[in-house]
Amino acid sequence: AQKVTQAQTEISVVEKEDVTLDCVYETRDTTYYLFWYKQPPSGELVFLIRRNSFDEQNEISGRYSWNFQKSTSSFNFTITASQVVDSAVYFCALSEDQETSGSRLTFGEGTQLTVNP
Amino acid sequence: SQTIHQWPATLVQPVGSPLSLECTVEGTSNPNLYWYRQAAGRGLQLLFYSVGIGQISSEVPQNLSASRPQDRQFILSSKKLLLSDSGFYLCAWQKLRGGVTEAFFGQGTRLTVV
Repeated sequence: AQKVTQAQTEISVVEKEDVTLDCVYETRDTTYYLFWYKQPPSGELVFLIRRNSFDEQNEISGRYSWNFQKSTSSFNFTITASQVVDSAVYFCALSEDQETSGSRLTFGEGTQLTVNP
Repeated sequence: SQTIHQWPATLVQPVGSPLSLECTVEGTSNPNLYWYRQAAGRGLQLLFYSVGIGQISSEVPQNLSASRPQDRQFILSSKKLLLSDSGFYLCAWQKLRGGVTEAFFGQGTRLTVV
């Protein structure tokens, strides 16, 4: 069975600090996909990134970066120079091979990030 | 472009009343559709998924049901709401073939059962 663990329930930082959100996953599939979503107070889930299990190349998008390491089953998310607008709940999610019927996302419990001015 | 509409945004219902939440998708055909619930904690739990019209799979036993009367319509229902049905409900869809860039989520419905 799939499982996603986000050990950090809440993180509080001061603006301009760097912050890393941890995500550890479990799956028996050899093909899988990892996601990060942002959930602002409005509640809508905002897609941030998707990676497949065959692509371990790290990615940077502006102040966001992701570190995917299959050896440790981790997919960590770093925000550089955090801003107040980054305050939200962040979810890590795992999906099995999405070419098969009924594939679905398994979510972690989320990390509440608060960036203080 | 693909969009997903979910309504109502908020709902307050008394215990024992019926429920109907609707989700519609535009810009795609034959999508996989999903209903998730986010309870008082932050985790999202998959309730139902559908791979086609009339095809519903339930992930957890509960007081709710789902239906897919049309390709791009997914409905979450209950005949009699319980207090424990309160939560934030999210509809989502994923592409069935050709790879997936991400799962698209609706804006969510915040349900409070009183």
